[in-house]
Amino acid sequence: QKEVEQNSGPLSVPEGAIASLNCTYSDRGSQSFFWYRQYSGKSPELIMFIYSNGDKEDGRFTAQLNKASQYVSLLIRDSQPSDSATYLCAVNGGGSNYKLTFGKGTLLTVNP
Amino acid sequence: GEEVAQTPKHLVRGEGQKAKLYCAPIKGHSYVFWYQQVLKNEFKFLISFQNENVFDETGMPKERFSAKCLPNSPCSLEIQATKLEDSAVYFCASSQFGELAEQYFGPGTRLTVT
Repeated sequence: QKEVEQNSGPLSVPEGAIASLNCTYSDRGSQSFFWYRQYSGKSPELIMFIYSNGDKEDGRFTAQLNKASQYVSLLIRDSQPSDSATYLCAVNGGGSNYKLTFGKGTLLTVNP
Repeated sequence: GEEVAQTPKHLVRGEGQKAKLYCAPIKGHSYVFWYQQVLKNEFKFLISFQNENVFDETGMPKERFSAKCLPNSPCSLEIQATKLEDSAVYFCASSQFGELAEQYFGPGTRLTVT
């Protein structure tokens, strides 16, 4: 059973702070890793993807991947109240299996 | 289109009735995925297509669920004889490629079985 684990939260940070979201996965064959943001009652919105070990930055977001530790993280710098949402870590199983396995999400609240 | 489209937004069915959901992938995307989200955050993969061909159906409860992607038509997911536990939000996602490709989600269809 392939699993993706996330801190369930909720995670609360003040406006302007760095929010750190973590994810571990069980399948060593996993090849691609995604962070989605889901507002309540809405669909998942892709905010970052990463395929190689190391860091990937896009604006205020940085994704970090460590395949040896089977660990993915998302850092949100200068957090804004509009960042308040559930953040879903999703992993593509690799090989010929392209479906995403999701974690249960971390609820982030950014307090003004 | 540049977004995944799903219809209807909401669907209410009595237990035992049929439900049919539709998805139009982003133009140029070859892969379509159906996911079921229950209990707020738990996503379950149902089925995927590469163009009109079933690619992976390992998540489908085959007794009552079926799906198609026909040329020049929206993809569809059909549930025969709905049960209370089928109440969920059904998301369709599409990707340009299969491997190492980002999946973009539609707005979802909320199915309520009463």
